[in-house]
Amino acid sequence: KNQVEQSPQSLIILEGKNCTLQCNYTVSPFSNLRWYKQDTGRGPVSLTIMTFSENTKSNGRYTATLDADTKQSSLHITASQLSDSASYICVVSPSNFGNEKLTFGTGTRLTIIP
Amino acid sequence: NAGVMQNPRHLVRRRGQEARLRCSPMKGHSHVYWYRQLPEEGLKFMVYLQKENIIDESGMPKERFSAEFPKEGPSILRIQQVVRGDSAAYFCASSQSQENYGYTFGSGTRLTVV
Repeated sequence: KNQVEQSPQSLIILEGKNCTLQCNYTVSPFSNLRWYKQDTGRGPVSLTIMTFSENTKSNGRYTATLDADTKQSSLHITASQLSDSASYICVVSPSNFGNEKLTFGTGTRLTIIP
Repeated sequence: NAGVMQNPRHLVRRRGQEARLRCSPMKGHSHVYWYRQLPEEGLKFMVYLQKENIIDESGMPKERFSAEFPKEGPSILRIQQVVRGDSAAYFCASSQSQENYGYTFGSGTRLTVV
C-alpha cells in the first residue's frame, strides 16, 4: 500500500531557530516528491518539487533533500519566522501526469514562538 | 490572475440535505481534482476531471457523491443526503495540462453536517 509518513507530528521552536522535518514514503513507482505548506484554514501551497534524480532543492529559507534509494526526504527551515507556523505536508506522486493520484502525508504541525 | 476559487468557504447542512461545492479553476486550467481532508488526516484523492469528462473517480464513494465539470462554469462536487461523516474540508486543485507539476489548490470548502 502506498504510504507517506511524516515526523514529528508536531514541533514547537523559538523564532530564529532552524528545524528539520522528515518524510518517509513507500510509494512505487515514484516520479516526484513535493513539500507543501498549509496555513490553518487555507489550501496547500507548493514549496518544492523534486524528481527522483534531484537530491536537493531550495526555495528561500526552505531546503528540501531527497534520497530516492532510502525513500526519505527532509525539509529544512532556517532562521524560522512567526509566519512559518503552519502544517508542512509531504506529497509523493507516482507519475508526472494528473491521472495518477498524489499520496499525502498527514503533515507536521510547526509552531514558531517568539 | 485569480487562483483556484472555491465557494462557499463554509457550508452547514442538516443530515439528509444536499451539499453543492463549487470550484473555478485558474484561468487556462482545464484539469480539476477534488480532495477531501478529514480532521487530523491527510488529503485523500476523490476525483479527477477534464472539461465535460470524468477521468478518474476511483477515490469517490459510489453512492451519494457525484462530480461534474461542464463546458461552461465551475466544477461541482455534489453530496446527496449528507451524513455526519461527510463533515470535512474539501479542496479543489487545477492544472493546465495532464502534467501535474503546476497543481494549484483552492482554499477549500469546510462542510459541517449537523
